[in-house]
Amino acid sequence: AQSVAQPEDQVNVAEGNPLTVKCTYSVSGNPYLFWYVQYPNRGLQFLLKYITGDNLVKGSYGFEAEFNKSQTSFHLKKPSALVSDSALYFCAVRDLGNDYKLSFGAGTTVTVRA
Amino acid sequence: EPEVTQTPSHQVTQMGQEVILRCVPISNHLYFYWYRQILGQKVEFLVSFYNNEISEKSEIFDDQFSVERPDGSNFTLKIRSTKLEDSAMYFCASTAGANVLTFGAGSRLTVL
Repeated sequence: AQSVAQPEDQVNVAEGNPLTVKCTYSVSGNPYLFWYVQYPNRGLQFLLKYITGDNLVKGSYGFEAEFNKSQTSFHLKKPSALVSDSALYFCAVRDLGNDYKLSFGAGTTVTVRA
Repeated sequence: EPEVTQTPSHQVTQMGQEVILRCVPISNHLYFYWYRQILGQKVEFLVSFYNNEISEKSEIFDDQFSVERPDGSNFTLKIRSTKLEDSAMYFCASTAGANVLTFGAGSRLTVL
């Protein structure tokens, strides 16, 4: 089965510093990988995806992610974090099958302090 | 920008009662999903729906759960006899098949 793992429950950074949220994957075949963000009491918002092509994917709100096949990783990054980036971040992988279903990691809570 | 709409935003019910959560997916989308999230935890897949039938369901989606697309626009999740452990945030999602799922804001279910 396709799966992703987020090894960190929490990430704390100071505003203006680089932010990295880690994700590793385990898949059969080519991975379809995604990042979603959840702000307090809100739904899941799509940030970016990797399907094929360039290993560096750019997404919404200044976020980017790097696909690394040798390390089976898809880490989310932002060069300069904002307090407003404080949220719960989920890595996800598309499952095998024809219905585009996603399986999510456990989530990482990001806190950016002023 | 098109969005997935869910109602109610919050429902409180007594254990054993039936609950129906409603979703209006984006109009040209073909695949529909329900996920749940127990208070700040992992987002868990419940069921996917395509071409007016369930395409896949998880082990969570037992006989107490059902889904329906009664009128071509709404997509509902019914829980026949709620249990305390059904308390969670339930998210509806849809996609046209372009890989990205668009999620609604969620319906918080509290079972007392």
